[in-house]
Amino acid sequence: ETGVTQSPTHLIKTRGQQVTLRCSSQSGHNTVSWYQQALGQGPQFIFQYYREEENGRGNFPPRFSGLQFPNYSSELNVNALELDDSALYLCASSHRDYYNEQFFGPGTRLTVL
Amino acid sequence: AQTVTQSQPEMSVQEAETVTLSCTYDTSENNYYLFWYKQPPSRQMILVIRQEAYKQQNATENRFSVNFQKAAKSFSLKISDSQLGDTAMYFCAFEETGANNLFFGTGTRLTVIP
Repeated sequence: ETGVTQSPTHLIKTRGQQVTLRCSSQSGHNTVSWYQQALGQGPQFIFQYYREEENGRGNFPPRFSGLQFPNYSSELNVNALELDDSALYLCASSHRDYYNEQFFGPGTRLTVL
Repeated sequence: AQTVTQSQPEMSVQEAETVTLSCTYDTSENNYYLFWYKQPPSRQMILVIRQEAYKQQNATENRFSVNFQKAAKSFSLKISDSQLGDTAMYFCAFEETGANNLFFGTGTRLTVIP
């Protein structure tokens, strides 16, 4: 059973650019949630994807968008990057059809200059 | 809206001693889950322990146990026989039943001193 993986590990972008982060869910899981963790803070929920559709969203602007693919892997896209988008982005997978804990990936560290 | 408060930004404990991390939360929901997650320097968030709000019995997992006070909306984590590998950030988190998204506190940085 493979765990949750994320790519890339680190990323540096400049303000105004666009970025795509990727997450492969754990085998057997059908739900992916994305979180933003600013330095020194707890993670904040961005949104969740269940069976390829957005299923819940936190307080993030529309320039944060996502996708989930038939194999349940997921992408997080951020347009028009701002300095405050610099953070650790975590994805977590779970199986929504019955209660299961969320398994987190190691995160992608995004730096916006 | 749910909020989770961790009032201890940093704590330290001697190896083999016991330490308690505090967490309070605010919600109008009656059915929910509470969690403690550990985030070591490797950044991977690891579940330490989970408590269902409808259960009166406090959850335990080996050296880790919780003191869940539903009326007071308090959920503390006790680590017994602290080990060097327990050094990490610890986050308290709340999840409304069925929502499958977590609300986290700001974390407590725990250092275990040899």
